[in-house]
Amino acid sequence: KAGVTQTPRYLIKTRGQQVTLSCSPISGHRSVSWYQQTPGQGLQFLFEYFSETQRNKGNFPGRFSGRQFSNSRSEMNVSTLELGDSALYLCASGRTSGRLGETQYFGPGTRLLVL
Amino acid sequence: KQEVTQIPAALSVPEGENLVLNCSFTDSAIYNLQWFRQDPGKGLTSLLLIQSSQREQTSGRLNASLDKSSGRSTLYIAASQPGDSATYLCAVRYSSASKIIFGSGTRLSIRP
Repeated sequence: KAGVTQTPRYLIKTRGQQVTLSCSPISGHRSVSWYQQTPGQGLQFLFEYFSETQRNKGNFPGRFSGRQFSNSRSEMNVSTLELGDSALYLCASGRTSGRLGETQYFGPGTRLLVL
Repeated sequence: KQEVTQIPAALSVPEGENLVLNCSFTDSAIYNLQWFRQDPGKGLTSLLLIQSSQREQTSGRLNASLDKSSGRSTLYIAASQPGDSATYLCAVRYSSASKIIFGSGTRLSIRP
């Protein structure tokens, strides 16, 4: 069974630009969560989608948005990029949305560098 | 405020030793707790998931325990190997619909 895939793996952008990251969950999984990882702040939750609906949202500005499609693939968009947005963005998938306390499976991440 | 803390931030031990990694959380009303490992530049790999009703979980050389009353979890690694070198993160979920809160991790180095 293929794991969680994220594209692109590496990305370089300049301040003010916008970026879209993609995540394909494990086949059959309907929950997708996004996280930002930086050396200073560690792993921080961005948002979670389940069946195309946003279920949870972290404390990030409105420049960060996401969506989930009917095939459970998810995209994350960051507009008006700032230097501080440079980070590893991780996506995780699960069969349900936390019910039954299931395990989350993480993708390899997209490393974004903002210049 | 719900927080997850991992101490120490880094740990180096010789190969073959048994070791314990610590995780503490401020609110004891957790839903579940999960331990992950992360290799440099890579995503996270789930190691063990403990439900709030459980006290421990085991997988191979790994054993994770949960003590909600004291707000602590430990990850025990037996007979450590150089391949165990990685950052270990614990993550707490407080309800089935809530976000996961991660600790800052313990960077483990096993010396051959």
